[in-house]
Amino acid sequence: AQRVTQPEKLLSVFKGAPVELKCNYSYSGSPELFWYVQYSRQRLQLLLRHISRESIKGFTADLNKGETSFHLKKPFAQEEDSAMYYCALKGQGAQKLVFGQGTRLTINP
Amino acid sequence: NAGVTQTPKFQVLKTGQSMTLQCAQDMNHNSMYWYRQDPGMGLRLIYYSASEGTTDKGEVPNGYNVSRLNKREFSLRLESAAPSQTSVYFCASRAANTEAFFGQGTRLTVV
Repeated sequence: AQRVTQPEKLLSVFKGAPVELKCNYSYSGSPELFWYVQYSRQRLQLLLRHISRESIKGFTADLNKGETSFHLKKPFAQEEDSAMYYCALKGQGAQKLVFGQGTRLTINP
Repeated sequence: NAGVTQTPKFQVLKTGQSMTLQCAQDMNHNSMYWYRQDPGMGLRLIYYSASEGTTDKGEVPNGYNVSRLNKREFSLRLESAAPSQTSVYFCASRAANTEAFFGQGTRLTVV
């Protein structure tokens, strides 16, 4: 079974502080992991995916298969980062895409 | 460039009424999905369709049915709405090895 767990429903940090949003997963095969973001009044959109290993808007995420985690990090938070963040998992070669519970990130000025 | 379009945007139903949520995509994607978004529960997969002509249950399929009418359209039907189905519903589509693209959501209230 595929399962994604985001342990923090709410996360609040000050502008300029580091941010880490946690994501743990459970999947018996090879996973593909994603982070999606939903800004206020906008559609859910892809932030980054583990296979591309890129940094988007200063965010990075590394897949740790040993710890079954895919935490999202940013060294210096900005006010425009305030949004709802979802971690998602798809099995390699499969089509089922499941999401975690989401973390609402608030960046305080 | 419409992407994924959902109709309606808002709907209020009485308990026991039926309705169909429509979703269409113009990106020639094979896979389509229906999710519901509830506070504290995140996005939960209701049904998905890996390709035209196929549908599969997700995490919370009870009380719902789906139809993959053609490659473009994937509808979600509530046969007898219940207050527990009050939620925001999202449709999404994706091609192989690409990201999922989401619709703007349908806010459904069942009274």
